[in-house]
Amino acid sequence: NAGVTQTPKFQVLKTGQSMTLQCAQDMNHEYMSWYRQDPGMGLRLIHYSVGAGITDQGEVPNGYNVSRSTTEDFPLRLLSAAPSQTSVYFCATKSGGATDTQYFGPGTRLTVL
Amino acid sequence: SQQGEEDPQALSIQEGENATMNCSYKTSINNLQWYRQNSGRGLVHLILIRSNEREKHSGRLRVTLDTSKKSSSLLITASRAADTASYFCATDGGSNYKLTFGKGTLLTVNP
Repeated sequence: NAGVTQTPKFQVLKTGQSMTLQCAQDMNHEYMSWYRQDPGMGLRLIHYSVGAGITDQGEVPNGYNVSRSTTEDFPLRLLSAAPSQTSVYFCATKSGGATDTQYFGPGTRLTVL
Repeated sequence: SQQGEEDPQALSIQEGENATMNCSYKTSINNLQWYRQNSGRGLVHLILIRSNEREKHSGRLRVTLDTSKKSSSLLITASRAADTASYFCATDGGSNYKLTFGKGTLLTVNP
């Protein structure tokens, strides 16, 4: 049982490049989400999904796309990377209950030059 | 916008002392959660308190919630060097799915 896995752990991009951050979970959780964490800041919600085929925007969605074709995977796409997207990205999952806790992946540290 | 705001931003104590961190939030909630983040790692859930609860314990952790003041506190008793981490409160704003995190308190426990 791996829990929540994220790849890659580190990535350096040039401005304008595109890439996909991968997130996978083996806990059969309905809910998955992506957060970004900037220095001295808490986590801010980018996008989330309440089940396969359903996604919605969080607090800071601009510049990011998501899709949820399976329960297990929730990739985050940067279509044209900008220096402002330099951050640490965390994927999280939880089951559907209101009092269920979120389980976080180890994070992807992204630098955009 | 940040829903939860922790106070203080940083706290340094000696091993064996108690550490208290506070969190204030703005809107109504179903529950409030506390998470720990060790340097360079993901967040780990510590404890959840529901809006109809006033106090909750888990091992050396004690969480209180005052919905009238929209505030919560996390007390870590008999702290250890391994408790050194950042601590975040997170509120759901009435949603089952969308958590809003504060900026965190950096706790340093000196041996």
